[in-house]
Amino acid sequence: GQQLNQSPQSMFIQEGEDVSMNCTSSSIFNTWLWYKQDPGEGPVLLIALYKAGELTSNGRLTAQFGTTRKDSFLNISASIPSDVGIYFCAGQVRGATNKLIFGTGTLLAVQP
Amino acid sequence: DAGITQSPRHKVTETGTPVTLRCHQTENHRYMYWYRQDPGHGLRLIHYSYGVKDTDKGEVSDGYSVSRSKTEDFLLTLESATSSQTSVYFCAISVDREGGYTFGSGTRLTVV
Repeated sequence: GQQLNQSPQSMFIQEGEDVSMNCTSSSIFNTWLWYKQDPGEGPVLLIALYKAGELTSNGRLTAQFGTTRKDSFLNISASIPSDVGIYFCAGQVRGATNKLIFGTGTLLAVQP
Repeated sequence: DAGITQSPRHKVTETGTPVTLRCHQTENHRYMYWYRQDPGHGLRLIHYSYGVKDTDKGEVSDGYSVSRSKTEDFLLTLESATSSQTSVYFCAISVDREGGYTFGSGTRLTVV
């Protein structure tokens, strides 16, 4: 089945460092979303992007919708210990069923 | 926040037994989804529903069936559980037309 290529698979960083991760697809999407999953919980939406080239921020998080509509990027600035978790990208071809295709996830560990 | 609960939170079952997982929502959303999460694969869509008695297959539907007899409940059934179905199962609802999902807290299923 279709799946998004997300990289890196994992990151181990020091508190205060900036983080970048990205997601690529062979298909075009109308919407890109980024989710974060804390241990033992379901993913929670961080940022949604609806237009090619769009750059959107949510606090220390910034995400971009790639101009080709086949990729997206997430940056976290000045990481803190509570940023630990798994980050997922998701793409959607807007339609009647609103199905999302998810990336394989990036595990982020932040050392104080 | 959309209310969505999954039950049970944890289950251990034997190979060959039937298992049913329940997803319950409190806000009358039309679209509901079942995903499974496995290391290295991210979240993969099993089945989804776009209304009462309206369901369709996702990318990993083999060995699973679903039912939606009421708007608020979406049931996932493993007809005869296998060890390959050991996973964490997430239910999600689509809360708006722009792609945002709200996820439940997950069910950790172990098939021994």
